[in-house]
Amino acid sequence: EAGVAQSPRYKIIEKRQSVAFWCNPISGHATLYWYQQILGQGPKLLIQFQNNGVVDDSQLPKDRFSAERLKGVDSTLKIQPAKLEDSAVYLCASSLEIAEAFFGQGTRLTVV
Amino acid sequence: DQQVKQNSPSLSVQEGRISILNCDYTNSMFDYFLWYKKYPAEGPTFLISISSIKDKNEDGRFTVFLNKSAKHLSLHIVPSQPGDSAVYFCAASPYSGGGADGLTFGKGTHLIIQP
Repeated sequence: EAGVAQSPRYKIIEKRQSVAFWCNPISGHATLYWYQQILGQGPKLLIQFQNNGVVDDSQLPKDRFSAERLKGVDSTLKIQPAKLEDSAVYLCASSLEIAEAFFGQGTRLTVV
Repeated sequence: DQQVKQNSPSLSVQEGRISILNCDYTNSMFDYFLWYKKYPAEGPTFLISISSIKDKNEDGRFTVFLNKSAKHLSLHIVPSQPGDSAVYFCAASPYSGGGADGLTFGKGTHLIIQP
């Protein structure tokens, strides 16, 4: 069974630029999560989708971050404009209902 | 305010001995607890979980203990093996039914198994 796919693996951008990350969840998984993991911290939930609807985006900085999951499968997370403190690993995860989450390898973002 | 605390950033254990990783939480609404394991350059992988109605859950070499009155849980690995060297994250959810919704993670403990 294929796992959660994320791209790119690494991205370096200058502050105030924009960036987008892509996630393809495990086939059949209705729930998709985006997490931000800053170095030395645990993952922090940014947004949770159930199919193509948002379930929880309470910790998403909506002035600069946006996410969509238009057809209930793939998802993109965008940052515009990026700040230095956005440097982190962005993890995508997916799950069946009331089941463990499977994480992708993450995208490591460095903002300089 | 950290709701899930892992106060040991790292832990070194000899191969074959017991590894004990600790986790404390402050939010009394948490009802379901999980441990994730993470290797470098990979995403976290689910290891074991426990519902608040239990005080122990065992899966092979891994056992999680929950002391709800003390708001404390621990992960025991016996015997420890070199492949167990990784970062271990404690996570908690307010949803008793299980799953991955509403997870709050600790900062992680880096376990190093010495040969």
